[in-house]
Amino acid sequence: LAKTTQPISMDSYEGQEVNITCSHNNIATNDYITWYQQFPSQGPRFIIQGYKTKVTNEVASLFIPADRKSSTLSLPRVSLSDTAVYYCLVGDIAAGNKLTFGGGTRVLVKP
Amino acid sequence: GAVVSQHPSRVICKSGTSVKIECRSLDFQATTMFWYRQFPKQSLMLMATSNEGSKATYEQGVEKDKFLINHASLTLSTLTVTSAHPEDSSFYICSAASAGGIIQETQYFGPGTRLLVL
Repeated sequence: LAKTTQPISMDSYEGQEVNITCSHNNIATNDYITWYQQFPSQGPRFIIQGYKTKVTNEVASLFIPADRKSSTLSLPRVSLSDTAVYYCLVGDIAAGNKLTFGGGTRVLVKP
Repeated sequence: GAVVSQHPSRVICKSGTSVKIECRSLDFQATTMFWYRQFPKQSLMLMATSNEGSKATYEQGVEKDKFLINHASLTLSTLTVTSAHPEDSSFYICSAASAGGIIQETQYFGPGTRLLVL
């Protein structure tokens, strides 16, 4: 399983854009990149998933360079409710394949 | 999107008793379910992988006789913590993966179960 490295924590302010970069140097050909958000005492919530280039949904954007050795989650105009831990996971999305959670990035949005 | 539920959401029990936690996929069939444990301020740690109709696969260091997993149907998996002790107090989270094809995301997570063993 590909190992991921993320910053431990990030601070931001309301209305700003938050970018979290994840390194995954040994990503495999079949691996997808998935980001989850977790609030205290809740299960992780799916944010976005991608394989290459750029993916955008109503919540976030995911930028993946051509070599796929890293990815950046972009949260536009964050609010206080975006304060959470964000996990970057890399793995084959075929059902049944386990994921390994790294330490995640603790994002604190200040007023 | 796909919904995964867990029951109970919190449980307090005495040391030595057994506790059962249910994980259900509400609107999709889950061929595989995963059980995680999370201690305060730490990341999720995978305990085991369960496939419907077969024995669970446990991660290294997880006692299979202590954490009994049953995945009897495509929508239900249960985790039983047998003879629970205070060190088993933790946040237990399940996730479910679909049979593939329709749902893009890899795993859907339940809301978690907070276990406190006195």
